[in-house]
Amino acid sequence: QVQLVQSGDEVKKPGASMKVSCNASGYTFTSYAISWVRQAPGQGLEWMGWITAYNGNTNYAQKLQGRVSMTTDTSTSTAYMELTSLTSDDTAVYYCARGGSGWQKFDYWGQGTLVTVSS
Amino acid sequence: EILLTQSPGTLSLSPGERATLSCRASQSVSSGYLAWYQQKPGQAPRLLIYGTSSRATGIPDRFSGSGSATDFTLTISRLEPEDFAVYYCQQYGHSPTFGPGTKVDIK
Repeated sequence: QVQLVQSGDEVKKPGASMKVSCNASGYTFTSYAISWVRQAPGQGLEWMGWITAYNGNTNYAQKLQGRVSMTTDTSTSTAYMELTSLTSDDTAVYYCARGGSGWQKFDYWGQGTLVTVSS
Repeated sequence: EILLTQSPGTLSLSPGERATLSCRASQSVSSGYLAWYQQKPGQAPRLLIYGTSSRATGIPDRFSGSGSATDFTLTISRLEPEDFAVYYCQQYGHSPTFGPGTKVDIK
């Protein structure tokens, strides 16, 4: 069965960087994109970007351009999302989801990783 | 960027009633790439409907989607206790966007 398992919750200082991982199993990793979506406390869903697993093409939300970077390691079927220059506004649950590129629906989701930015 | 608005913000209904949720796009959603997700507290979103009207694997047939271009609807024919949740629409074109959500709560 398809599973996306994310890394654990983190606490970061303002100005620091964060990197969340998403390990995929149960399907051919390179056949789908991975998208990242975040959700601030009590708020809605915000799409951050996607990466195609087979060639590393990316499409980032304009709002995060310059601060976000998405990569994949096909040898371990793992996707990574790094966000730099953190502020309290980046406090959120971060989700990975299968889909995005090529008009793919987001059909499987990771369990979420809570990142808290606090001094 | 395609902006999505959802109405109402909150829908208060009783089990067994019919729920009708609306999603409106700022421009036409290409080829009907419109999806609906359900989210319960503390859980990741779950795909319900994709391609405007196709149910995802394992989704009961009380959930249905319809619409085209800029106006879309999610209908829950008879609410079950487990259906009380927040529902988001999403267009999954080149740069996906989500609507702000509709909360369906118990009247």
